[in-house]
Amino acid sequence: ETGVTQTPRHLVMGMTNKKSLKCEQHLGHNAMYWYKQSAKKPLELMFVYSLEERVENNSVPSRFSPECPNSSHLFLHLHTLQPEDSALYLCASSRANLGGQGYTFGSGTRLTVV
Amino acid sequence: GQNIDQPTEMTATEGAIVQINCTYQTSGFNGLFWYQQHAGEAPTFLSYNVLDGLEEKGRFSSFLSRSKGYSYLLLKELQMKDSASYLCACMDSNYQLIWGAGTKLIIKP
Repeated sequence: ETGVTQTPRHLVMGMTNKKSLKCEQHLGHNAMYWYKQSAKKPLELMFVYSLEERVENNSVPSRFSPECPNSSHLFLHLHTLQPEDSALYLCASSRANLGGQGYTFGSGTRLTVV
Repeated sequence: GQNIDQPTEMTATEGAIVQINCTYQTSGFNGLFWYQQHAGEAPTFLSYNVLDGLEEKGRFSSFLSRSKGYSYLLLKELQMKDSASYLCACMDSNYQLIWGAGTKLIIKP
């Protein structure tokens, strides 16, 4: 148990499906992040929510849609994905204005788009 | 542009010592992190350096030279469970983390 829980752990979806990834933390953190991790590539920051407001959207395609209803929960809504979107999606949380404490990551959702 | 470089893969022997290097170029600098990630698991925090020098934490140590844009993670008395990927990340002037691609460390008996 890392303190950040992600569900589901694995997801296989067709290109026409709609699904959502869920992330939950009860560490008292006030910033949450979605990352995409592909093999042999750096972690790609997708979205940042700080104090429940989205502060960055790194040119992520609109087929990915984040939602942060409160400081403990974060969702990533998926629709009409492409095979190249297959990857490990990691959620992380931290205190805003991050210091030396670092991020706490969830175990990720392994997504396969068929 | 911002860039973090680290070797893709390294191999070491159980009981030995290994050093994983990381060089960085970022817009501003607010510290450097090392994370460990076992296959299929979450990355976990190992160390944070913001001042030059060596930080020791048990079998793991992390070194930083800000003037050289360089860090290393030193693992001593290697154990099989140390087989994992090690991620280097720098915090830039906007307090955003810039990540390296990770170094896969393979430990052999």
